[in-house]
Amino acid sequence: DTAVSQTPKYLVTQMGNDKSIKCEQNLGHDTMYWYKQDSKKFLKIMFSYNNKELIINETVPNRFSPKSPDKAHLNLHINSLELGDSAVYFCASRESGPYNEQFFGPGTRLTVL
Amino acid sequence: DAKTTQPPSMDCAEGRAANLPCNHSTISGNEYVYWYRQIHSQGPQYIIHGLKNNETNEMASLIITEDRKSSTLILPHATLRDTAVYYCIVRSSGGGADGLTFGKGTHLIIQP
Repeated sequence: DTAVSQTPKYLVTQMGNDKSIKCEQNLGHDTMYWYKQDSKKFLKIMFSYNNKELIINETVPNRFSPKSPDKAHLNLHINSLELGDSAVYFCASRESGPYNEQFFGPGTRLTVL
Repeated sequence: DAKTTQPPSMDCAEGRAANLPCNHSTISGNEYVYWYRQIHSQGPQYIIHGLKNNETNEMASLIITEDRKSSTLILPHATLRDTAVYYCIVRSSGGGADGLTFGKGTHLIIQP
C-alpha cells in the first residue's frame, strides 16, 4: 500500500538513552516532516527536509537530529532522552508545490521513564 | 500564517450534517484555508482546502464567506467514524517546505 510508515509504533526507554525513530514514504514525495504531539495533544512541527536539505528547525533541542539517507526516508535520532521528550511523534510527507496536502504516518508513542 | 479560532467541541447526531465553523479574520490574500482531522490515536488526515470559492470533495464541503474571514466545513451525513478533532489551518500558497501550524481544533463527537 502507498503510505507513510513509521517504526517502531511504541518505544519505551530510560532517561539518558539514545534512540531512533524511522520513517519511510513510498508516495514519491520530495518533502518530509517530523511533528511532536505532547500530552496536551498540541501538534507542533519539528523539522522538514526538502531535497535532502533541512528547511525548518522550530526551536527543537539539538539532542534531536533528523537524518535523511534518501528522499524516501527521514529518521529522527534523539540523544540523552529526557522525561519531557515523552510524546507521540508523527512523520509526514508532501510533494512540494503550493496546494499539495501532507500525508501523515501512524505515529510513534515514545515514553521516557 | 494567520491565526484561526474554532469551538473546542461540538456534538452531532449520526446521519445529520455536521457544520464546523472556523474564524480566520486576519487571513491575507494569498492564504488558503485547509482542514485536517485526527481520529483518536491516528495521524492527521487531510480533508479539503480552498481559497475563496466553495469546494466539495468525497469527504466534505468547504464554504468560505465572501470576505474570507470565516469558513465552515460540512460533513453531509456524519457517521460514528467521523468522531475526531478537526483542525482549520490557514496557510500561504507559497509552496514552501514549512510545516503546518495546528491549533487546538474542534473535537467533533457524533452521537448514535
